[in-house]
Amino acid sequence: KAGVTQTPRYLIKTRGQQVTLSCSPISGHRSVSWYQQTPGQGLQFLFEYFSETQRNKGNFPGRFSGRQFSNSRSEMNVSTLELGDSALYLCASSFGTSGGSETQYFGPGTRLLVL
Amino acid sequence: AQSVSQHNHHVILSEAASLELGCNYSYGGTVNLFWYVQYPGQHLQLLLKYFSGDPLVKGIKGFEAEFIKSKFSFNLRKPSVQWSDTAEYFCAVTSNSGGYQKVTFGIGTKLQVIP
Repeated sequence: KAGVTQTPRYLIKTRGQQVTLSCSPISGHRSVSWYQQTPGQGLQFLFEYFSETQRNKGNFPGRFSGRQFSNSRSEMNVSTLELGDSALYLCASSFGTSGGSETQYFGPGTRLLVL
Repeated sequence: AQSVSQHNHHVILSEAASLELGCNYSYGGTVNLFWYVQYPGQHLQLLLKYFSGDPLVKGIKGFEAEFIKSKFSFNLRKPSVQWSDTAEYFCAVTSNSGGYQKVTFGIGTKLQVIP
């Protein structure tokens, strides 16, 4: 069974640009969550999508957005990049139907560097 | 609000030493508890989890954790660490929020095991 995949693995952008990251969940998983990982803040929850709908959101500005497609693949977009957006962006998938008692499976992450 | 504290941010141990990493959470309702591990250059992966039942849970690679409800704690332990345990360890708490899962991660603890 293939794991969670994320593309691209590395990205270098400049301030003001926008970026789109992609995540393909494990087959059968309908929930995709996105996290930002930085050395000082650990893993911070961005948002979760389930059946093409955002059903949970963290405390990030509106520059961070996402969407989910009918095949459960998800994309995350960050507009008007800032230096502080440099981080490892992790995607995690789960079945999404157990309301609080699910194990999430993580992808390798996309490392974004903003210059 | 739900929060997780990991008090040890960086731990250095010699091989064969015993390990205990602290994790305390703040939440008034029912929670599920997880420990994840991120080995250098690898995905974040599940080490162990507690949903209900025996508060002492055993995970992979000889790790265990004990849920102490009265102390809001879920400390990770291993009797004898190996060099290969060098990694970053994350405690996470999930709860049921309106039918879906709310996840909060701790900031992480970097463990360095010296041969």
